[in-house]
Amino acid sequence: ENVLTQSPGTLSLSPGERATLSCRASQSVSSTYLAWYQQKPGQAPRLLIYGASSRATGIPDRFSGSGSGTDFTLTISRLEPEDFAVYYCQQYGDSPQTFGQGTKVEIK
Amino acid sequence: QLQLQESGPGLVKPSETLSLICTVSGGSISSSIHYWGWIRQPPGKGLEWIGSISYSGSTYYNPSLESRVTISVDTSKNQFSLKLNSVTAADTAVYYCARVILYYYGSGRYSPFGWLDPWGQGTLVTVSS
Repeated sequence: ENVLTQSPGTLSLSPGERATLSCRASQSVSSTYLAWYQQKPGQAPRLLIYGASSRATGIPDRFSGSGSGTDFTLTISRLEPEDFAVYYCQQYGDSPQTFGQGTKVEIK
Repeated sequence: QLQLQESGPGLVKPSETLSLICTVSGGSISSSIHYWGWIRQPPGKGLEWIGSISYSGSTYYNPSLESRVTISVDTSKNQFSLKLNSVTAADTAVYYCARVILYYYGSGRYSPFGWLDPWGQGTLVTVSS
């Protein structure tokens, strides 16, 4: 299976700062087949990005996705208080679909 | 807007069968461009895809669970369900259902896989005697 490794495990930043989250795949993923989700404590994940760079409906433009092949990035340009959460990447190009282990963005 | 809601027992005994239902409201489950999926999350851990189903009953399962999993659909009730047999403590998790938005290849062809949106709120299932 295609293993996704996210880094760092935890990112400690202040509101207003830029967050850069990495997702690395063990096998090449078409950029069409990569999504990002946000999960807050006690809540279900929420879709942020699909197709590596397309924002889901209602997602603010401070969230952006990029990358290709085995290396993908989620960038939050300026952290808002509501952005502190855990973020997961998902590949849906191969079966089984797999998720990264998550990156926690916490308040510094 | 489309909403999904999981329901089922919160406690299952070891070796028994875990059974959950996902009820879809605000839209029809009978869509040719969507599948319907189950994902789980053990306490404090990451997400694991269990499997997904089309409205016509085509299924895809995670090979790690395939021998124990059955996903079925009831279009008359706008529901799909999950059965996981021979459970152990390792199956304790929050179980989510979600709509799978299929990737479109073009020329009328869709991948059976895609991104997940929206998700149900999740339901915690504990396996314990």
